[in-house]
Amino acid sequence: SQTIHQWPATLVQPVGSPLSLECTVEGTSNPNLYWYRQAAGRGLQLLFYSVGIGQISSEVPQNLSASRPQDRQFILSSKKLLLSDSGFYLCAWMNGAGIDSPLHFGNGTRLTVT
Amino acid sequence: GQQVMQIPQYQHVQEGEDFTTYCNSSTTLSNIQWYKQRPGGHPVFLIQLVKSGEVKKQKRLTFQFGEAKKNSSLHITATQTTDVGTYFCALNDYKLSFGAGTTVTVRA
Repeated sequence: SQTIHQWPATLVQPVGSPLSLECTVEGTSNPNLYWYRQAAGRGLQLLFYSVGIGQISSEVPQNLSASRPQDRQFILSSKKLLLSDSGFYLCAWMNGAGIDSPLHFGNGTRLTVT
Repeated sequence: GQQVMQIPQYQHVQEGEDFTTYCNSSTTLSNIQWYKQRPGGHPVFLIQLVKSGEVKKQKRLTFQFGEAKKNSSLHITATQTTDVGTYFCALNDYKLSFGAGTTVTVRA
């Protein structure tokens, strides 16, 4: 069966510090991968998505970046965090075969920038 | 891209009562998915609707896709405390555009 791992679960970082969140998927090949951010009590904002290794599409211009160095690995990074980067970051995967697939989310990382 | 709008944003329900949350779009949707996010948790896929007028049921939850495929609804009967959470609709066009969600609280 397929599983998605996302870490760390919580993170407190000072303003201006770098960020690296990692997400890996097991049990499937060539998945579509996604990074979402959710502010407290708000909806889901799509940040990046990837349909293959090295292919990254950015939905919102910001100080964040994403990379997909391996088929089932998706990394979210920042060189310098802002206070506004605080939120709940969710990695997700979807079967890359078609749009009839559901999205499967990781447990998320709660980031607080102080 | 296409967007979906959800109403209401908040729903306070007496335990045992029914309620409905709606998802609307100004354009025709190819499909609509529904997710539930429990407090402190991550969204979990509930169901997908594809056909015009489609109705699907999961126990006390009834999902409907409008005839014109521009709206969808989720109706919950006999609300229980386990129904607490935020319900999202989403358009699956490879990018999963989510609505803002309906946050449900239940009064025992």
